[in-house]
Amino acid sequence: EVQLLESGGSLVQPGGSVRLSCAAAGFTLGNYAMNWVRQAPGKAPEWVSYISTSGGNTDYADSVKGRFTISRDNSKNTLYLQMNSLRVEDTAIYYCAKKYYYYMDVWGKGTTVTVSS
Amino acid sequence: DIVMTQTPVSLSVTPGQPASISCKSSQSLLHGDGRTYLCWYLQKPGQPPQLLIYEVSNRFSGVPDRFSGSGSGTDFTLKISRVEAEDVGIYYCMHSVQHPWTFGQGTKVDIE
Repeated sequence: EVQLLESGGSLVQPGGSVRLSCAAAGFTLGNYAMNWVRQAPGKAPEWVSYISTSGGNTDYADSVKGRFTISRDNSKNTLYLQMNSLRVEDTAIYYCAKKYYYYMDVWGKGTTVTVSS
Repeated sequence: DIVMTQTPVSLSVTPGQPASISCKSSQSLLHGDGRTYLCWYLQKPGQPPQLLIYEVSNRFSGVPDRFSGSGSGTDFTLKISRVEAEDVGIYYCMHSVQHPWTFGQGTKVDIE
């Protein structure tokens, strides 16, 4: 079964850092581009970041550009999101999602990041 | 950024009756390759979004044929021909024609 499992979410103070991981199972991560999407409480999902199959091409939402870094280790079948200079407004469930053509067909169950003092 | 606007915000439907959700984009979603990149997701309580429809009208694997999508350019519609209890949740449209991909604000569907 194709699955994604996020981990690393926590309670962190404003200005702090967190690294999220997304482990793929049932498929070869390196064959697919990947995305991170977040969802603040009671809000619509928000696309956060994209990475190509090799990792050579990345993109970010303006709201996180310069603070978040997406990366991948295809040998470990794992995707990452390094989140620095965290703000209260970054509080959300963070999902990793597999890109298939021009849509996201498989999503993980998410990991929660809470930014609060 | 492309703004996605959904109506209505919420919908209460009798089982077996149809339902329709509208999604309008602030720019055309027609890509240079000739395809239109608009999809629909359903998010059930406590779950991640699940893909229903991609490229306006194509049902994703395993999606019942009571779900259908239509539209072009900037105006799109998701229709459920006969709503069932398992269809409750929040429906989101999303474009993927360019980064940033953006979602509508959602339409909450519940059963009367």
